[in-house]
Amino acid sequence: AQTVTQSQPEMSVQEAETVTLSCTYDTSESDYYLFWYKQPPSRQMILVIRQEAYKQQNATENRFSVNFQKAAKSFSLKISDSQLGDAAMYFCAYRSPSGSARQLTFGSGTQLTVLP
Amino acid sequence: DAGVTQSPTHLIKTRGQHVTLRCSPISGHKSVSWYQQVLGQGPQFIFQYYEKEERGRGNFPDRFSARQFPNYSSELNVNALLLGDSALYLCASSHQTVQTYEQYFGPGTRLTVT
Repeated sequence: AQTVTQSQPEMSVQEAETVTLSCTYDTSESDYYLFWYKQPPSRQMILVIRQEAYKQQNATENRFSVNFQKAAKSFSLKISDSQLGDAAMYFCAYRSPSGSARQLTFGSGTQLTVLP
Repeated sequence: DAGVTQSPTHLIKTRGQHVTLRCSPISGHKSVSWYQQVLGQGPQFIFQYYEKEERGRGNFPDRFSARQFPNYSSELNVNALLLGDSALYLCASSHQTVQTYEQYFGPGTRLTVT
């Protein structure tokens, strides 16, 4: 079974600065998908960015980018020019391409605080 | 287009009671998944349904059941509620045929068992 580990329960960043959230995972599969989700106090889980394991290029979405290290099974999220609205719980998630359910396996989350 | 909707938003039940949670997927999505999120933890997979058939089940007791209707909406049922069932229940819909299979989440139902 796949596992996802987020070793930073809490992080803080100054507004306009850059912060990196860490995520590692364990899998024996060679092809899979990785995601970062954001969950603000409103509880709505919002997809931030996704990475296909077969792609060597790191995904980027505006101020959000990932550092995907397949050999190290590491998938970190970098938030540039942090904004107050970025404050939320961030979850790293893994999805296998095989199997009929294709469910997401989540980490325990990192609570990000943005300081004005 | 409307996103994933869930009802009710909150509810309070007593131990031993039964509860039904409802979810309507994004229009055009035929797959619905349910997750349980205990406070301070990441969501845990409960069920996935596609075209009204169960496609996957997580490690949850038989007290948990679900079904999907012809309009692709879904219900999650929990019998004989325990205090430990208190959690945020999230529903997610997806377009099964899209390779990336992105899941779009609803706002959740906050269940409190007393």
